[in-house]
Amino acid sequence: EADIYQTPRYLVIGTGKKITLECSQTMGHDKMYWYQQDPGMELHLIHYSYGVNSTEKGDLSSESTVSRIRTEHFPLTLESARPSHTSQYLCASNDNTDTQYFGPGTRLTVL
Amino acid sequence: SQQGEEDPQALSIQEGENATMNCSYKTSINNLQWYRQNSGRGLVHLILIRSNEREKHSGRLRVTLDTSKKSSSLLITASRAADTASYFCATDAGGKLIFGQGTELSVKP
Repeated sequence: EADIYQTPRYLVIGTGKKITLECSQTMGHDKMYWYQQDPGMELHLIHYSYGVNSTEKGDLSSESTVSRIRTEHFPLTLESARPSHTSQYLCASNDNTDTQYFGPGTRLTVL
Repeated sequence: SQQGEEDPQALSIQEGENATMNCSYKTSINNLQWYRQNSGRGLVHLILIRSNEREKHSGRLRVTLDTSKKSSSLLITASRAADTASYFCATDAGGKLIFGQGTELSVKP
């Protein structure tokens, strides 16, 4: 089991709310990633970070933002959630090996 | 367009049978990885094959890579009901992974 955690696991909120999805890892990995996955579909990279104070946008445009103030923590924030943000959000990390370790995901529903 | 395309999209077999999933990609890669995802969960890494390798084994898993055809296959031998999950290939071309759409495998007892 990978030591990477995501909270909350499930979140149902109304349109317009600000939300933060938490991701933390205890493996000391420098690289962390956020993916978005719709049911039955592929994962799309939306943000990544190769270290503290380093964040980049991924291949899929997203209205979310991320921060990396500490190595172990990589939160994702949506300032104003909309129904189109309904999806599963997966966090992952790795060191200098190529294998990524995934958290259990947060399933977000915006009403 | 997606780097990784997988087929079949869904596969249903009986316990004890072998399951084969295929993945094709478009650009040069450093390595190709296979991940497994149980329903509603995160992904678990299964196996990685580098661009200079042609075949790799891990337990009941066998992965092949044909860089000339830009394709890979994952074979699960002697499948079990517990193998029921979605399987994704992911290509690494520069540190970031690009995932295919996945194959949904159902193994019936």
